[in-house]
Amino acid sequence: GAVVSQHPSRVICKSGTSVKIECRSLDFQATTMFWYRQFPKQSLMLMATSNEGSKATYEQGVEKDKFLINHASLTLSTLTVTSAHPEDSSFYICSAPGLSGANVLTFGAGSRLTVL
Amino acid sequence: QKEVEQNSGPLSVPEGAIASLNCTYSDRGSQSFFWYRQYSGKSPELIMFIYSNGDKEDGRFTAQLNKASQYVSLLIRDSQPSDSATYLCAVKREGSYIPTFGRGTSLIVHP
Repeated sequence: GAVVSQHPSRVICKSGTSVKIECRSLDFQATTMFWYRQFPKQSLMLMATSNEGSKATYEQGVEKDKFLINHASLTLSTLTVTSAHPEDSSFYICSAPGLSGANVLTFGAGSRLTVL
Repeated sequence: QKEVEQNSGPLSVPEGAIASLNCTYSDRGSQSFFWYRQYSGKSPELIMFIYSNGDKEDGRFTAQLNKASQYVSLLIRDSQPSDSATYLCAVKREGSYIPTFGRGTSLIVHP
């Protein structure tokens, strides 16, 4: 089945530093991946669509210069939170359309970011 | 604005009972409907999807869809404490990769 691996699962950083989160499709190729953010007791909010070999598409209100997305290969997308601040503390989850077709998303395990 | 509404709960049911989780959506163009389960601190995992009006059963889970009423539900029979989680409803348009998620309903199954 389709497996999406996401690392790190938890990261704590100081305010002002940058954090990179990796998302890999392990047994399939993903030309498109999605990055979500989830605050406590809130829904998953789509941040951006990562496109292999081209620029990411950001949702309204998401700062592209703060949340850098790179999709350099068919199996790897990265999200870098630059100059992180405490308000960026959240649960970040990547996903990709699975092998069963475009209809069903497979999610990574998520990355809990805490900015001190 | 596309919206997916769920009662945040918590919905508390005794072990062995039927848990009924409800979801309404505003986009009449929605064609695919999904239920995900999310344990605390974990990412969502797919339970079921449904495309057609009516019921779809998978083990202890039954998804029900009524497009005319823009309503989708999930029934969990013989609820177990391990079913305690947040259940996310998601809907999307045909041809789109991207679903819209509800806020989720917290389910607590007590022994």
